[in-house]
Amino acid sequence: KNEVEQSPQNLTAQEGEFITINCSYSVGISALHWLQQHPGGGIVSLFMLSSGKKKHGRLIATINIQEKHSSLHITASHPRDSAVYICAVSRRPHKIIFGKGTRLHILP
Amino acid sequence: DARVTQTPRHKVTEMGQEVTMRCQPILGHNTVFWYRQTMMQGLELLAYFRNRAPLDDSGMPKDRFSAEMPDATLATLKIQPSEPRDSAVYFCASGQEPEYTGELFFGEGSRLTVL
Repeated sequence: KNEVEQSPQNLTAQEGEFITINCSYSVGISALHWLQQHPGGGIVSLFMLSSGKKKHGRLIATINIQEKHSSLHITASHPRDSAVYICAVSRRPHKIIFGKGTRLHILP
Repeated sequence: DARVTQTPRHKVTEMGQEVTMRCQPILGHNTVFWYRQTMMQGLELLAYFRNRAPLDDSGMPKDRFSAEMPDATLATLKIQPSEPRDSAVYFCASGQEPEYTGELFFGEGSRLTVL
């Protein structure tokens, strides 16, 4: 079993829909990262959080440490949000474990 | 606009050839990571440097891969000899003690194809 599991693996939605991507992990962590990767592109860090909730524009990330679960939400989704979203957890001393990613496709 | 710079962006080479990938971390960052991304395995850690010292290269095939930081502005990943199974996208990332709470900044990646 992977230490970081994401769901769904693939998601197709219509423009404007509210999107939720989930991440569950089975190890102790110091922080959780949400990353975005566009096709053929680099990787951009969206959020790094260790508790509670963070918001940036239309993106919201939440984490529940007790349940070892995090969600990434996108409000009013847009075709430019189409990308792979990767959940990663930081462990001491320096290990970062990546999920397999969720491929999101927003249709116009 | 501070960013991690990787070269080359694309490399096609023949099996057995030496490949060198370079990374310029963000000025002032004290940690550098090399990752490999494949469709099957996703992102895997190859090497980790802090203050130019290699602290973890357990994810790297030792017989053919080597990673170094000749100075604070340059990290290199070398494959010699290269094999088709090394075909992947190699990412460099830098940060400030990211192993605990720091954010990671990734380069654009070097896409390697070994024929």
